[in-house]
Amino acid sequence: DTEVTQTPKHLVMGMTNKKSLKCEQHMGHRAMYWYKQKAKKPPELMFVYSYEKLSINESVPSRFSPECPNSSLLNLHLHALQPEDSALYLCASSHELEVNEQYFGPGTRLTVT
Amino acid sequence: LAKTTQPISMDSYEGQEVNITCSHNNIATNDYITWYQQFPSQGPRFIIQGYKTKVTNEVASLFIPADRKSSTLSLPRVSLSDTAVYYCLVGDIMYSGGGADGLTFGKGTHLIIQP
Repeated sequence: DTEVTQTPKHLVMGMTNKKSLKCEQHMGHRAMYWYKQKAKKPPELMFVYSYEKLSINESVPSRFSPECPNSSLLNLHLHALQPEDSALYLCASSHELEVNEQYFGPGTRLTVT
Repeated sequence: LAKTTQPISMDSYEGQEVNITCSHNNIATNDYITWYQQFPSQGPRFIIQGYKTKVTNEVASLFIPADRKSSTLSLPRVSLSDTAVYYCLVGDIMYSGGGADGLTFGKGTHLIIQP
């Protein structure tokens, strides 16, 4: 199984809502990543977890809160988002925390109204 | 900071070989070069990775000159389905705590294949 799954595929939320994005992989990878991608722009790294510990936090606003409950799951909790946070949110995993072959999920298309 | 520079867009035709060059003048000794492909509304897909000289897999070849200040992704006999954005990333194979350069995507090259 070389697949990273993300749910939901699409999400529309208001600025006062609280929602969560979920990511799962069963490849035994110990590093997991969240990226944000705006239209016609490259993916931007948000968070990196290694062995379920937050390893990299790219100065992301606190309205985004990552969580890694176990080695297979990665969540991104969303609260009080702004319309400019609308984007494709991508999850990825790799064997270790390495600049190597990352496996990306299909993403969650988030719209903040 | 190993910044990368790629052409914004390229056009080619089905059946042709396409070469996309990435410049990385500040590449460090421990840095590897990795290429990803991305289709619209999908996550990037790993294509190939190399350190020096030439690497080939079933999808592409990667040519890296001796000075490693650039690299060229070669796609043989492209088809319409190769129309995508191609990203070149440069960074240390193991994150050393000095930054996430290797996880930084550049602007990418939008490759358009015509019939």
